[in-house]
Amino acid sequence: AQKITQTQPGMFVQEKEAVTLDCTYDTSDQSYGLFWYKQPSSGEMIFLIYQGSYDEQNATEGRYSLNFQKARKSANLVISASQLGDSAMYFCAMRGISFGNEKLTFGTGTRLTIIP
Amino acid sequence: DVKVTQSSRYLVKRTGEKVFLECVQDMDHENMFWYRQDPGLGLRLIYFSYDVKMKEKGDIPEGYSVSREKKERFSLILESASTNQTSMYLCASSFLGQGMGEQYFGPGTRLTVT
Repeated sequence: AQKITQTQPGMFVQEKEAVTLDCTYDTSDQSYGLFWYKQPSSGEMIFLIYQGSYDEQNATEGRYSLNFQKARKSANLVISASQLGDSAMYFCAMRGISFGNEKLTFGTGTRLTIIP
Repeated sequence: DVKVTQSSRYLVKRTGEKVFLECVQDMDHENMFWYRQDPGLGLRLIYFSYDVKMKEKGDIPEGYSVSREKKERFSLILESASTNQTSMYLCASSFLGQGMGEQYFGPGTRLTVT
């Protein structure tokens, strides 16, 4: 079974500061993928970034980076230079790689509020 | 652009009614998923399908059924709606076994059962 834990229900961050959203995971799979999604107040789920369990380098996508520490089973999202539009719910998720095991398991989410 | 559409953004139904939620994707994805989202619980998987007429139970299938007669369409059925099924329902789709397997989500249906 896969489990995702997000321990920060809510965060308030000053605009232009960097922010780290925590995510730890548990799985017995050797191969897996880790995702971060953003959900603005409008409700749609927006894919942000992906990290494969065998990727040696941390993933980056623009202002987003994923701090992947495999031994600690940690996959924190880092947003640099936060903007007001970053205010949203953020979900960490993981999936297995094997056939039939491609469903996503989500954490409970972190509500990020950027303060002007 | 991948597009996943859901039949309604908002739906109000009465207890005991049969409810159909429709999801259509236009990217020829093999996988399709139904999640429900509740505050403090995140997204939980109800059912998923990796092929036409195939279905697999997710984490919370009780009270729900699904239908996938065509590749692009995945329906979620509440046989007899109850108030504890009031929730946001999200449909998603992805390619089977390719690359990262990113899931693309629809806009969601907020269902209220009174």
